[in-house]
Amino acid sequence: KNEVEQSPQNLTAQEGEFITINCSYSVGISALHWLQQHPGGGIVSLFMLSSGKKKHGRLIATINIQEKHSSLHITASHPRDSAVYICAVRWERRALTFGSGTRLQVQP
Amino acid sequence: GAGVSQSPSNKVTEKGKDVELRCDPISGHTALYWYRQSLGQGLEFLIYFQGNSAPDKSGLPSDRFSAERTGGSVSTLTIQRTQQEDSAVYLCASSPGWAGYEQYFGPGTRLTVT
Repeated sequence: KNEVEQSPQNLTAQEGEFITINCSYSVGISALHWLQQHPGGGIVSLFMLSSGKKKHGRLIATINIQEKHSSLHITASHPRDSAVYICAVRWERRALTFGSGTRLQVQP
Repeated sequence: GAGVSQSPSNKVTEKGKDVELRCDPISGHTALYWYRQSLGQGLEFLIYFQGNSAPDKSGLPSDRFSAERTGGSVSTLTIQRTQQEDSAVYLCASSPGWAGYEQYFGPGTRLTVT
């Protein structure tokens, strides 16, 4: 059983829609990362957070430590947001454990 | 400044051969990580280096895999006697330290074992 669960696995949205991707993990963590991977491209780190909320442009990441849950939101989605979004967590003294990713397609 | 670079970008090798994959981290980054992404699969941790500490090799799938980091900078991942199941994209990342830092990923090396 993967210790990091993402949902949905696949998501298709229309341009302009508000998008939410969810990540749940099994035990307390020291940090959670959200990563973006474009088709055929490399991986970009979007956020690293251990509490609260972070915002960068149209992207917002939140984490609820008590619920062991994080969400990545995209406001006013655009076709260029189409990518795989990956949640990864780090437990103390361990390397990152990755979710299986959410494949997002934003249609014009 | 320059990001994480990896070479080669693509490598095709015959089953049974040894391969070496190279990673140049961002200058000054003390932590370096190797990951693997098999076709249609998620990311998988292989090994990480932090400063002068002993590397964490807990993710290496078999003793055919090894890695070294010379002078605290460049790292080489070596796969001996390659098997078809080793075919994957091998990604390197670096960060300024071990804890509390974002990781910066290289473009990856796509390894195909025929």
